[in-house]
Amino acid sequence: AQSVTQLGSHVSVSEGALVLLRCNYSSSVPPYLFWYVQYPNQGLQLLLKYTTGATLVKGINGFEAEFKKSETSFHLTKPSAHMSDAAEYFCAVSTNTGNQFYFGTGTSLTVIP
Amino acid sequence: DAGVTQSPTHLIKTRGQQVTLRCSPKSGHDTVSWYQQALGQGPQFIFQYYEEEERQRGNFPDRFSGHQFPNYSSELNVNALLLGDSALYLCASSFGLADPRGDTQYFGPGTRLTVL
Repeated sequence: AQSVTQLGSHVSVSEGALVLLRCNYSSSVPPYLFWYVQYPNQGLQLLLKYTTGATLVKGINGFEAEFKKSETSFHLTKPSAHMSDAAEYFCAVSTNTGNQFYFGTGTSLTVIP
Repeated sequence: DAGVTQSPTHLIKTRGQQVTLRCSPKSGHDTVSWYQQALGQGPQFIFQYYEEEERQRGNFPDRFSGHQFPNYSSELNVNALLLGDSALYLCASSFGLADPRGDTQYFGPGTRLTVL
């Protein structure tokens, strides 16, 4: 079975500060990992994904995440927060092409001016 | 190139009624998945359709059913609505199972269902 744990349901950072959103997964097989962002009253937008290959993946809007198998983690980072980054962020795991996604409960990011 | 579209945007129903939600996948995609997102929660997988067949199903009762049409669009039907069915219903589309690009799901804006 697969599952995702997102530590910290609410994270606040100052504008220009480092953003770190945590995601740990559980999977009995090699995982496919994703980060999605959701703005108020909207659907989910793909930020980045890891399936195979390089463990450090870069996404849109300056975000990146590193797959660490030994720590079963896939934390999302951004060097400098922008006001427009304020949103809900979801980590998800899948196990193969076409398989269902399992989502975490989300982390709400607030950026303080 | 249009992304995933869903209709309607909002819907209000009363307990016991039935509802149908609609989804058109992103161009080129032939697989559609449906998710329920309760307030303050992450999306929960309902089911997935591929080649007009239900391929996978999550832990949802039979009151939740679906359909996929030859043009790959899909419907989600919920019968005998309960207050707890109030949620944002998200449709996601992807490439086919044998397509290596099929590892990623693209989401629509959702339909907000309120059950009174």
